[in-house]
Order: sequence, then C-alpha cells, then structure tokens
Amino acid sequence: NAGVTQTPKFQVLKTGQSMTLQCAQDMNHEYMSWYRQDPGMGLRLIHYSVGAGITDQGEVPNGYNVSRSTTEDFPLRLLSAAPSQTSVYFCASMIRGEGGNTIYFGEGSWLTVV
Amino acid sequence: GDSVTQMEGPVTLSEEAFLTINCTYTATGYPSLFWYVQYPGEGLQLLLKATKADDKGSNKGFEATYRKETTSFHLEKGSVQVSDSAVYFCALNYGGSQGNLIFGKGTKLSVKP
Repeated sequence: NAGVTQTPKFQVLKTGQSMTLQCAQDMNHEYMSWYRQDPGMGLRLIHYSVGAGITDQGEVPNGYNVSRSTTEDFPLRLLSAAPSQTSVYFCASMIRGEGGNTIYFGEGSWLTVV
Repeated sequence: GDSVTQMEGPVTLSEEAFLTINCTYTATGYPSLFWYVQYPGEGLQLLLKATKADDKGSNKGFEATYRKETTSFHLEKGSVQVSDSAVYFCALNYGGSQGNLIFGKGTKLSVKP
C-alpha cells in the first residue's frame, strides 16, 4: 500500500479511555482522510484534510478529533472510547495525476472497545 | 445525495467460473469510479479505476467499464481462482483536490476449489 503507515494494528480499549491512531505518509500528498469499516456498512468517512492546517468533518465525525500540523501526519483521536467505536479504521492519502485521483489506504487498525 | 449500490453477497463460485459483481451509482456530477479489494485480515487495495464514460479499467484479469447511460461499473472476471476470495468494494470520487470516496457496502466473494 503505497507508503501509508498506520499504527497500531490492533488495540483493545476500555470504555472511557482515550487514544490516538497514527497515520503517516511520505509521498507529500496533500489530501488525507480517515474511514471506519463496519460489517454490512462499507466504509464511512470520519474526517479529512486537504492540506496542513486544514481539516473537515466527514459522514461520521462524532467522538473523533483530528489535526494536521504537518503534511506527513494525520492522527485520529478518540476522546472517550465507546463500544460503538469498535471498528476497523483506515487512513488514506491521495495523489492527483493526469489519470485522475488515486487514493491509497493504509493496512488498517483493528480497535475493540470493551 | 450521491451513493453507490452493490449487489449483496456473499457470492460463492467454483474455480474457473465467470464473475460479475454489479455496481450502480447515483451522482450529481461526473465522478471517477473505483473497485477496491480487501483480502481477509488485510487493508484495501486499489484493483482498478475509470475516470470518464466508456473508460475500461483492468487489472489482474478483472475488468470494469464506466457506463454513463446505465450509471454502472460492473466488475467482471472470466475465470476466478481461489485466491480471488475477498471482499470487493465499488466507490466513486469527484476528483480535483477532493479525495473523499463514497463506498458501496461491499460484496464478499468465496471461490471454492
């Protein structure tokens, strides 16, 4: 997967705990985003960023914060974890080219909230 | 709003069978269309894409043609293998600086030897 690195791969949290999912890319992509994947629902956009210092909400932003202080990094913060946030999280970045946009995904972070 | 609809799975085929996974979309503009594949326990990989009407994307024996008249982007493969067992997602994107993807719910394919 074209240089998008996510950590951790697996995490178990207790309800009410906070944590940060890390995402980094070394391709100088301006656009980055976070999705969550739930059974039978496909992937849904949480937050996205079109460049350093700029973030915006996606379809399901509640309970999550993001920041984009550098082009390379786009961390996703869970402020107070809830069982409903048990999911698989994917970070993505995008390259623009003559053949249109190509969006690359990280390998995913499996999060369980108990 | 924009949306992507995929055929519901799971789809179970025998090895060397012909595969079709239907995908239709609703869009207010002229999006690019994508197929992503997710193998068990792994992340999403771009399988193929098409950026305008009548374009055909192809990769690893899979093909899909962007049909504006029927708003469809069906995925096909002539002869599936056990290693093609995965979940397949159809998605659309409007291009430019906006990289947000709208996904279908995914179709699970199981190929039996």
